Amino acid sequence: QVHLVESGGGLVKPGGSLRLSCEASGFTFSDPYMHWIRQAPGKGLEWLSSSSGSGRNIYYADSVKGRFTISRDNAKNSLYLQMNDVAVEDTAVYYCARGGSPFDHWGQGTLVTVSS
Amino acid sequence: SYVLTQPPSVSVAPGQTARIACGGDNIGSKSVHWYQQKPGQAPLLVVYDDSDRPSEIPERFSGSNSGNTATLTISGVEVADEADYYCQVWHPLVFGGGTKLTVL
Repeated sequence: QVHLVESGGGLVKPGGSLRLSCEASGFTFSDPYMHWIRQAPGKGLEWLSSSSGSGRNIYYADSVKGRFTISRDNAKNSLYLQMNDVAVEDTAVYYCARGGSPFDHWGQGTLVTVSS
Repeated sequence: SYVLTQPPSVSVAPGQTARIACGGDNIGSKSVHWYQQKPGQAPLLVVYDDSDRPSEIPERFSGSNSGNTATLTISGVEVADEADYYCQVWHPLVFGGGTKLTVL
């Protein structure tokens, strides 16, 4: 069955960097779009970024464009999110999700806390 | 930017029907997906493409979409259905603000 496991979250200072990973199993990873979505404490879902199966088509929300970079390694069945110049407002649970439309499987999330 | 508007909360008694609205400009021309999220858990897809259900989702969950409003309907609500529900569309990719369903 489809399994998505995020890792890499933790405590980071404002202006710092962090790299999140999402390891996938149970499907042909190179086929579908993959996405990063976050949820700030007590708030709703916010889409951040998407990557096509090949990695050639990439999209970002305005809130993270220029600071976050999505990438994938299809040989390792892994999706990544490089987060640079983080701010307190980036504190959230970060989820990876699979799917062209809709998001049919989600990981359990990894918590990123930005604090001095 | 495109905005999806959901009521913050909906309350219903067990066994009754809950309807959660998702408003957007001409949303009827888009495909709408719905996710259920229980506390401490990842979201779960419950309805996709306006009215289709993943195989593991009970028939009690259904959806419709027309004009400026999409609706998630839960018939015969159970206590286990208490959760936050989010609508979502593509092009642009946005989520609604979420609706907390309380089963009284």
